[in-house]
Amino acid sequence: QSALTQPASVSGSPGQSITISCTGTSSDVGGYNYVSWYQQHPGKAPKLMIYDVSNRPSGVSNRFSGSKSGNTASLTISGLQAEDEADYYCSSYTSSSSLVFGGGTKLTVL
Amino acid sequence: QLQLQESGPGLVKPSETLSLTCTVSGGSISSSSYYWGWIRQPPGKGLEWIGSIYYSGSTYYNPSLKSRVTISVDTSKNQFSLKLSSVTAADTAVYYCARHFKYVGLLRFCDPWGQGTLVTVSS
Repeated sequence: QSALTQPASVSGSPGQSITISCTGTSSDVGGYNYVSWYQQHPGKAPKLMIYDVSNRPSGVSNRFSGSKSGNTASLTISGLQAEDEADYYCSSYTSSSSLVFGGGTKLTVL
Repeated sequence: QLQLQESGPGLVKPSETLSLTCTVSGGSISSSSYYWGWIRQPPGKGLEWIGSIYYSGSTYYNPSLKSRVTISVDTSKNQFSLKLSSVTAADTAVYYCARHFKYVGLLRFCDPWGQGTLVTVSS
């Protein structure tokens, strides 16, 4: 199975908003509403930030939001803060009864 | 609060079998609401899903690793395990275990994750 496509890097200044895209196919992102997003700081385990396309777990800031259109899902972070600097990964259920991750996006807060 | 902890050898020789165990605490692995699975991350690279198991023993595997992977569960110990055979240097990675939320038989997302354990394949 092929990894979902994410930009390698994005950047923004504190207070700004950024969006990370995650492109798949009709066999994964486009076919199911089971897209999730994870934040990973260096040396740490991934942390769930968004599940089922647009739902935030308890304790995750409402500055994080998710959406989907066709075969592309998106993660938007508003009011960027220094602590948001991390790697972000998307994931989707696939028609092969498996999970697939994106290649990851490095977010830099300028 | 549910916690997961990986354990196993940190060094495996090429062509041998990598074996890891994940111990679940703070909740039962026999819950009907979840699968339990493994994800790995080679140094400096992205995440790769390996596979997952239900408490009954039903499994899902990454098609690209399926021929080498076996995931098993021991409900009496609240543990599940990973075996990856015929390893090469390309299997060097941090291996994470995680609870998988599901809807019917569909895998939705992973939460929480264990802290991860580095396994190096080298002679």
